[in-house]
Amino acid sequence: NAGVTQTPKFRILKIGQSMTLQCTQDMNHNYMYWYRQDPGMGLKLIYYSVGAGITDKGEVPNGYNVSRSTTEDFPLRLELAAPSQTSVYFCASTRQHLSYEQYFGPGTRLTVT
Amino acid sequence: DQQVKQNSPSLSVQEGRISILNCDYTNSMFDYFLWYKKYPAEGPTFLISISSIKDKNEDGRFTVFLNKSAKHLSLHIVPSQPGDSAVYFCAASAGGTNAGKSTFGDGTTLTVKP
Repeated sequence: NAGVTQTPKFRILKIGQSMTLQCTQDMNHNYMYWYRQDPGMGLKLIYYSVGAGITDKGEVPNGYNVSRSTTEDFPLRLELAAPSQTSVYFCASTRQHLSYEQYFGPGTRLTVT
Repeated sequence: DQQVKQNSPSLSVQEGRISILNCDYTNSMFDYFLWYKKYPAEGPTFLISISSIKDKNEDGRFTVFLNKSAKHLSLHIVPSQPGDSAVYFCAASAGGTNAGKSTFGDGTTLTVKP
């Protein structure tokens, strides 16, 4: 199994550009999450989803959008990139409700200049 | 207000000795606690967890202790190995309908010297 995969690994955006960070899991997990990690900091929850068609905001959702049309995919959209969105983005999934162990992807390093 | 705190940004220990990483939390609703390990340029990986109904959980060289009254948990690694050098994140989760969401600390960078 590939687990959780993320593309791209690296990306440089100009201010105001948009992009989609892709996340796919092949473990048939219902719960999926997007985090960002700033240097020297922990992971902050951006958005999460408890199943296809259901998404909700996390701690730091401003400037981002998500969709969940399938169990496997959970893309994160940045519409108008800002320097404050320079960060490393991690996608994660959880097996089922009340299973708290999360499986993480390798991350996408995004720089906005 | 940060609900999960790891007050030591870094820790350095000698190979073979014990590593103790600490974590404090403020939210009384947290009832499940996890430790993740992260190597550079990789995503975090789950290491060990503990439920609030326990005060200790052991898995090989790794043991997590929970003191609910003090809202404190710690991760012990014995004996420490150079391959344990990584960033360790403490995470906490509340039960019920929280959808498996976890709140993470800022991490402690462990360096194990040969």
